[in-house]
Amino acid sequence: RKEVEQDPGPFNVPEGATVAFNCTYSNSASQSFFWYRQDCRKEPKLLMSVYSSGNEDGRFTAQLNRASQYISLLIRDSKLSDSATYLCVVIRTSGTYKYIFGTGTRLKVLA
Amino acid sequence: EAQVTQNPRYLITVTGKKLTVTCSQNMNHEYMSWYRQDPGLGLRQIYYSMNVEVTDKGDVPEGYKVSRKEKRNFPLILESPSPNQTSLYFCASNDRGYSNQPQHFGDGTRLSIL
Repeated sequence: RKEVEQDPGPFNVPEGATVAFNCTYSNSASQSFFWYRQDCRKEPKLLMSVYSSGNEDGRFTAQLNRASQYISLLIRDSKLSDSATYLCVVIRTSGTYKYIFGTGTRLKVLA
Repeated sequence: EAQVTQNPRYLITVTGKKLTVTCSQNMNHEYMSWYRQDPGLGLRQIYYSMNVEVTDKGDVPEGYKVSRKEKRNFPLILESPSPNQTSLYFCASNDRGYSNQPQHFGDGTRLSIL
């Protein structure tokens, strides 16, 4: 089982829709969490950090559930420009300090 | 401007011809890392460095070498490249001194080994 798992998608949604992705992690020693966005074969770019109390940045909301060991990303009012792959990233600090990447969830927003 | 710079951006070469991909960051970051990205496999860590002269293997280190002689530079060396090292490579850095610090990525290097 992978340490960080995501549904690869694709999630095909119409413009204006609300879409949510989950990401599960298996190591309870994981301490920090992020969502990155990656456009086709370009570098990953930080979308937002994920805080324990949940956080919002415009149309994007991130949540952390430590008990169930998952993080989520909610996108409201989807735009065509939101089409990308969304990577879940976990920092594990037990043993070797390490960034663990999920394989990504692909989102296509359709006109 | 804070950035991570990789060179070259694209390279086509032949099996066995040594090559180096350079990575430089201007943010005084301690932690630097190399990843390769292949379809369906996501980002896999090749090597990382916690600080100058401190490097360690990631998940897929075979066939690669690194060095960290200066804080800003972290070159990736392929001594004898093979076709299975054809991939998209990313260098990343972050300041490990604080929690909740995201990694900053370079633009990527597309490497084709024929």
